[in-house]
Formats: sequence, structure tokens, C-alpha cells
Amino acid sequence: AQSVTQLGSHVSVSEGALVLLRCNYSSSVPPYLFWYVQYPNQGLQLLLKYTSAATLVKGINGFEAEFKKSETSFHLTKPSAHMSDAAEYFCAVLWGDMRFGAGTRLTVKP
Amino acid sequence: DTAVSQTPKYLVTQMGNDKSIKCEQNLGHDTMYWYKQDSKKFLKIMFSYNNKELIINETVPNRFSPKSPDKAHLNLHINSLELGDSAVYFCASSQGQGNNSPLHFGNGTRLTVT
Repeated sequence: AQSVTQLGSHVSVSEGALVLLRCNYSSSVPPYLFWYVQYPNQGLQLLLKYTSAATLVKGINGFEAEFKKSETSFHLTKPSAHMSDAAEYFCAVLWGDMRFGAGTRLTVKP
Repeated sequence: DTAVSQTPKYLVTQMGNDKSIKCEQNLGHDTMYWYKQDSKKFLKIMFSYNNKELIINETVPNRFSPKSPDKAHLNLHINSLELGDSAVYFCASSQGQGNNSPLHFGNGTRLTVT
């Protein structure tokens, strides 16, 4: 079965620093991959999705992710963190149903 | 306009009670879901419902039953509530299944069983 693994349950960066949230997938075929963000007391919102059209995917709020087949990775990045980016981030793979990673909590320090 | 709305937002009840959570989507989607998020933020699918076909996660106790009066609604009924049912329950919808269509989530219902 396809799955995703998020490395690091908690990532802390300073405001203005690079954000890197890691996600690896297990799949023998190119999967549909997604990143979602969850702000406190809210549901999940779609940040971006990979559909094989391009390996570098741009999402909302300045986030982007690069699909690397050789590394089976789909890491999420943002060049400069903002305080408002503090949230829980989920990588997900669509395999019949949407299957989520365990989540990474991003903390942004002033 | 809220795309996927759930009610209530908070639900506090005692063990053994029966409760329902309602979900409505106004996106015209044909597939709806219920997810459970535990205290460690782990998300687990409970049900998906598409064109009257119900797909149940086999690990979900049969005390949980989804009910869909029409394509825009998928309610969750829980019988004989247990302490371990305490969690945040999310309703979601998508256009189709397995076709790279993302999920649209409601804001969740925080269920506390005492």
C-alpha cells in the first residue's frame, strides 16, 4: 500500500529563515501527492498538489514542493518564514483514499 | 459561503450516550468522507461515500454509522460512546475518487467523552 512518511514531527525556524519540511513516499508508480496545512482549531487546507505535469509545484502562501523520483521525496519549502506560517503541515498521497503523514508542526520564532 | 460545514463545533457528552455530527457541502462534489484526528494529530479515514457506495475502514467499530440523505450531506452517528472516541472528527468532500482531486475539509467537531 502507498504511504507517506514525514521526517520530523516538529520543525522550528526563525522568521525570515528557510522552511524545509520533509516528506517521502512509498510507491512503485508515480503517485498523486499533496501538502495540506492545518491552523489551530481549523480543518486542513490544500497548499499544493503534484500531478506529474511538473516536478516543481508552486502553492499558496509562497510555498513550493519538488517531486524527486530518484529520492522518492516531495519536500515542502518556503524561502522566508513568516510568523503566520506557524501551523501543522501534512503530506498526503492519494491511493484510492487520501492517506496522510503524521504531520509536522512548524514553529516560527521572532 | 462555507464550502464544507460541520455541526456542532464542540460536543461534550458522557459515556454510553448516542450522538450525531452533521456535515454539508455546497461544492457539488460527489464524494464525502469522515476522518478522525487523534490527540497526536494523526488523521485516519473512517468512511468514504460515493454515489451511494459506502466504503468503510475495517478498523472502525460498528458503533459508528454514516448516513447520507443526499449527495450534499453525510452525517456521522455514534452509538454507545466510549472514552476512546474523544477526538476531532473532520468531514471532507472531493470531486470523484482517485483522480487527483484534493479534499476540502470542514473545520472539525471536537468530541469529548467523559
